[in-house]
Amino acid sequence: KAGVTQTPRYLIKTRGQQVTLSCSPISGHRSVSWYQQTPGQGLQFLFEYFSETQRNKGNFPGRFSGRQFSNSRSEMNVSTLELGDSALYLCATSIDTAYEQYFGPGTRLTVT
Amino acid sequence: TQLLEQSPQFLSIQEGENLTVYCNSSSVFSSLQWYRQEPGEGPVLLVTVVTGGEVKKLKRLTFQFGDARKDSSLHITAAQPGDTGLYLCAGEESGTYKYIFGTGTRLKVLA
Repeated sequence: KAGVTQTPRYLIKTRGQQVTLSCSPISGHRSVSWYQQTPGQGLQFLFEYFSETQRNKGNFPGRFSGRQFSNSRSEMNVSTLELGDSALYLCATSIDTAYEQYFGPGTRLTVT
Repeated sequence: TQLLEQSPQFLSIQEGENLTVYCNSSSVFSSLQWYRQEPGEGPVLLVTVVTGGEVKKLKRLTFQFGDARKDSSLHITAAQPGDTGLYLCAGEESGTYKYIFGTGTRLKVLA
């Protein structure tokens, strides 16, 4: 059974640009959650999607958005990038609710 | 507000020593998971505990869920350098769809 895949693995962007990250869940997993991880703030919840609907949202500005497609794949978009957006962005999927999440390897975003 | 507090934050021990990591909350959790994360990778699920008072063993790792389902502990016996990593507890707060991660415990086991 293939694991959670995230693309790209590494990304370097300039301040003010926008970026789209992709997450493909384990087959059969319908819940997809996104997290931002930084050394100072730890693992912070961005949002969770289930059956193409955003079910939960963390405390991030509107520059951070996401969506989920009918095949459960999810994308996350960050517009008007800031230096502080540099982080490891993790996607986690689960069968139904946010129970027993399986993580992808993450996308390392560097904003210069 | 951080609902899941882990202690200690950092731990550096010698190979062969035992250790315990704690995960505490004032909220009740439907279930609780423990993960281990290595640098540059996503967290890997170690175990799920569901029932209050439940104890699960995974080789040298013992996980316990508190009777009131508000806290959990992870005990490692005879730690090895391969146990080095960031340990995270996480759970779904009862009655919500909110999945919350603990503050993390960074463990380093020295050979």
